Amino acid sequence: QQQVKQSPQSLIVQKGGISIINCAYENTAFDYFPWYQQFPGKGPALLIAIRPDVSEKKEGRFTISFNKSAKQFSLHIMDSQPGDSATYFCAASIFRGSTLGRLYFGRGTQLTVWP
Amino acid sequence: NAGVMQNPRHLVRRRGQEARLRCSPMKGHSHVYWYRQLPEEGLKFMVYLQKENIIDESGMPKERFSAEFPKEGPSILRIQQVVRGDSAAYFCASSPPGGRKREYEDTQYFGPGTRLTVL
Repeated sequence: QQQVKQSPQSLIVQKGGISIINCAYENTAFDYFPWYQQFPGKGPALLIAIRPDVSEKKEGRFTISFNKSAKQFSLHIMDSQPGDSATYFCAASIFRGSTLGRLYFGRGTQLTVWP
Repeated sequence: NAGVMQNPRHLVRRRGQEARLRCSPMKGHSHVYWYRQLPEEGLKFMVYLQKENIIDESGMPKERFSAEFPKEGPSILRIQQVVRGDSAAYFCASSPPGGRKREYEDTQYFGPGTRLTVL
């Protein structure tokens, strides 16, 4: 059972455009929602993360929008660049005390940004 | 501060052999997580360990797979009698003890992975 559902599976955007990737979850106990970026042959690298007490978080060109009532969150990449071409994974987890538990990952979105 | 280290980066085994994957967490990190990534799929959780303890092994196959994180040395993921279906990328992540004040310090940091090929 996929705890976190991610769409689209692949995305092609022109340079300078906005890339939008969506995720949905069912478990209301999730309280940590990170996005990871992965290049071929590399490990996932944390891009940005959000807790459910805020509806939006922005870091540079990357923004997470979070809708707690709809149990959805999305990643927006503004002014997309060819160097952003990678696979993006959303994830969710639960803090147990002060320690993060296992991550539940979406299946990934392969983003291609054309120059 | 060195990141999470995994070795070997590539491992080739024949069916029936044993595979040992090693993970050295970031300095100061006491939690280790193992994930498996099959081609064209996301990462699937396998096991979560603290020093000398298994905290959550709900994602581990019941047979042939084991993991440890001893008091000294790296964490080891061991796969006995490998089969072709075990071919995948295996990633290790680490996180600090928790209770940090700065955001993201409690998150999981991933290593470069070990790509296992079973012939």
